Amino acid sequence: SQTIHQWPATLVQPVGSPLSLECTVEGTSNPNLYWYRQAAGRGLQLLFYSVGIGQISSEVPQNLSASRPQDRQFILSSKKLLLSDSGFYLCAWEGFQGGEAFFGQGTRLTVV
Amino acid sequence: GQNIDQPTEMTATEGAIVQINCTYQTSGFNGLFWYQQHAGEAPTFLSYNVLDGLEEKGRFSSFLSRSKGYSYLLLKELQMKDSASYLCARGGDFNKFYFGSGTKLNVKP
Repeated sequence: SQTIHQWPATLVQPVGSPLSLECTVEGTSNPNLYWYRQAAGRGLQLLFYSVGIGQISSEVPQNLSASRPQDRQFILSSKKLLLSDSGFYLCAWEGFQGGEAFFGQGTRLTVV
Repeated sequence: GQNIDQPTEMTATEGAIVQINCTYQTSGFNGLFWYQQHAGEAPTFLSYNVLDGLEEKGRFSSFLSRSKGYSYLLLKELQMKDSASYLCARGGDFNKFYFGSGTKLNVKP
């Protein structure tokens, strides 16, 4: 069966520090992968999506970047965090049966 | 944006039925999804509609009208554990998913 792993679960970082969040998927090949951010009490905002290795599409201009160095690995990064980068970051992959997205456990990032 | 609209919050009684509506922009439509999200947790998939009509899954059903850009999630025999946010999501071009802001459902005894 397919599983998605995302870490860390919680992160507190100072303003101006770098960020690297990692997401890996097991049990499938060539998945479509997504990074979302959810501000407190808000909906999910699509940040990046990837249909293959090295293929990244950005939905909104921001202080973040994404990379896909391997088929089942998706990384969200920042060189210098801003206070506004705080939020709940979710990685997801697209399933095949119904086209639905399955989410990792999420990373709660607090920038202080 | 994708103009996905759903009510912010709803309250219902245990054992009752509740309907959560969602409207969305119809251009580039590629499926309508419903997710459940408990506070502090990741969303979990509930249902998927790509054709018009009603899809039933136990206590949960989801309806879609593509021409109207409208969907609803119907929850029957409400239980306290159904208290959560319910997210409507629209599939778009290039396999992208767009989410509404979610409807917070409060189930009271």
